[in-house]
Amino acid sequence: SQTIHQWPATLVQPVGSPLSLECTVEGTSNPNLYWYRQAAGRGLQLLFYSVGIGQISSEVPQNLSASRPQDRQFILSSKKLLLSDSGFYLCAWSPLGSGSSYNEQFFGPGTRLTVL
Amino acid sequence: ILNVEQSPQSLHVQEGDSTNFTCSFPSSNFYALHWYRWETAKSPEALFVMTLNGDEKKKGRISATLNTKEGYSYLYIKGSQPEDSATYLCARSNAGGTSYGKLTFGQGTILTVHP
Repeated sequence: SQTIHQWPATLVQPVGSPLSLECTVEGTSNPNLYWYRQAAGRGLQLLFYSVGIGQISSEVPQNLSASRPQDRQFILSSKKLLLSDSGFYLCAWSPLGSGSSYNEQFFGPGTRLTVL
Repeated sequence: ILNVEQSPQSLHVQEGDSTNFTCSFPSSNFYALHWYRWETAKSPEALFVMTLNGDEKKKGRISATLNTKEGYSYLYIKGSQPEDSATYLCARSNAGGTSYGKLTFGQGTILTVHP
């Protein structure tokens, strides 16, 4: 069966520090991968998605970047965190050619990031 | 409607009450409508995926309906229990190869069921 891991679970970082959040998926190949953020009082916002190794698309202009160095690894990064980067970050995957599943996505446990 | 919108934002009910909430979405280029339940400190869990106008899905005490022509879906919970307390998210996906499986989420409805 497929599982998705995210770490760390919680993180408190000072403004201006770097960030690296990692997401890995097990039990599937060539998944589509997604990073979402939920800021306080707001819905889930899609930040990045990837359809393959090295292929990253950004949905919104921001202070963050993403990379996919391996098929089942997705990393969210920042060189210098801002206060506005605080929020709950979720990684998700969907099967390649996910039309058969109507684009259903499966979520990791998330990382709560607090920038002080 | 340009975005996915959910109402109400939050809801407090007593144990045993039945409740429902709404998801409104753009009806053009529609592919599927998803409902997720998101409990605190857990991953969002898929409840339903609906694709056809008039679809009705049911899982235990929870059911959902879909109207793709007018762009709305209702989620119903019958006889709410405290363990139903969660944020309920709906999300819409577009048709077409360039959609890359992306989902557009509403802001969620926070349900609290009081014993």
